[in-house]
Amino acid sequence: GENVEQHPSTLSVQEGDSAVIKCTYSDSASNYFPWYKQELGKRPQLIIDIRSNVGEKKDQRIAVTLNKTAKHFSLHITETQPEDSAVYFCAARSRDNYGQNFVFGPGTRLSVLP
Amino acid sequence: ETGVTQSPTHLIKTRGQQVTLRCSSQSGHNTVSWYQQALGQGPQFIFQYYREEENGRGNFPPRFSGLQFPNYSSELNVNALELDDSALYLCASSLGGAGGNTGELFFGEGSRLTVL
Repeated sequence: GENVEQHPSTLSVQEGDSAVIKCTYSDSASNYFPWYKQELGKRPQLIIDIRSNVGEKKDQRIAVTLNKTAKHFSLHITETQPEDSAVYFCAARSRDNYGQNFVFGPGTRLSVLP
Repeated sequence: ETGVTQSPTHLIKTRGQQVTLRCSSQSGHNTVSWYQQALGQGPQFIFQYYREEENGRGNFPPRFSGLQFPNYSSELNVNALELDDSALYLCASSLGGAGGNTGELFFGEGSRLTVL
């Protein structure tokens, strides 16, 4: 089955700097890669996603890149702000014997220091 | 449009007991997935229901079972609770098809289970 790895596990940046989180996946058939942000005690919320037929997607300060050949995808946050502090999860939509389901990475705790 | 709601928000059980967690899916969604999130870890897929039938299951033992009702709400049942079952249980709804989850996941706030 699919396996998703995520690095780093923790990341501290100064306010205004950029943050990059990287994920790798194992199943070449995975075709959809969302990123979720989870604030302390809150539900995970989708912040950006990318499909396998696209190499890059950007939404204001957030961008995601996908390298299908290398089977890795990355989240880029520019001009970080204190409210970006949270745990970020990458995920890959994989297929098992039943159908397509999501496999999540272990998460990255991002701290933006004022 | 109502979001995904889960109940209870917190509960404490003792080892060997049974627990039922409930989830109401977002309006218009026909697929419900359940995830277990242990402290400091990513969500782990338990199973998924589409049109009242299980159509996906992760690496969890049979004592984890579920139901989906005609209104697309769902229950997660865990029998013979173990200490390691302590976790946040997240329900997510989406618009799926018979082939599995095809759309974005919308999560509920979760039910935090503590097993003593």
